Amino acid sequence: GAVVSQHPSWVICKSGTSVKIECRSLDFQATTMFWYRQFPKQSLMLMATSNEGSKATYEQGVEKDKFLINHASLTLSTLTVTSAHPEDSSFYICSAQPGQGIDEQYFGPGTRLTVT
Amino acid sequence: GQNIDQPTEMTATEGAIVQINCTYQTSGFNGLFWYQQHAGEAPTFLSYNVLDGLEEKGRFSSFLSRSKGYSYLLLKELQMKDSASYLCAAKDSNYQLIWGAGTKLIIKP
Repeated sequence: GAVVSQHPSWVICKSGTSVKIECRSLDFQATTMFWYRQFPKQSLMLMATSNEGSKATYEQGVEKDKFLINHASLTLSTLTVTSAHPEDSSFYICSAQPGQGIDEQYFGPGTRLTVT
Repeated sequence: GQNIDQPTEMTATEGAIVQINCTYQTSGFNGLFWYQQHAGEAPTFLSYNVLDGLEEKGRFSSFLSRSKGYSYLLLKELQMKDSASYLCAAKDSNYQLIWGAGTKLIIKP
């Protein structure tokens, strides 16, 4: 149980275009979903926290107009990278938490974005 | 501020035992997590400690001392597949996970 999927697993796009990444909890309802970014050989960087039906909470330094997050249901959250640039190339990972509080986070397999 | 410290890199020999330490400073505390992350993959959950003491799970054990703000992950009978980064993370009073930078573990034959 507690499986989280992400789609696509990798994507290459041209500079200036937008890319949408989906994160789904397959066998549980996720009250909270998290979006992380990880650059090569660096640790996870939390970008934003989203709760179903409400606006996402973005970490300091993350542009909310560039990284649009929608948590439309208890099993789906989407991250849209708008007007992507080469510096947005990174490994984007989502995680989902069944409840609130001390529950562990279950991670999706990640999406590798390359902007050319 | 909130902070998690763990060594950047460790090297160990196949079949041996290795201990990865983690110290944390958070605003409040609601548990300590260890995750394993292989290169190019997402993290996978290893352990969770909220009370002091040792939690054993097969070849992996995790220890917590809340008074010292300290945890360690103990890996026994190391296998080559254990080569990965090990991430320590603590939940603060707002139940937000504060992540360490990860410890890259290199296993040599």
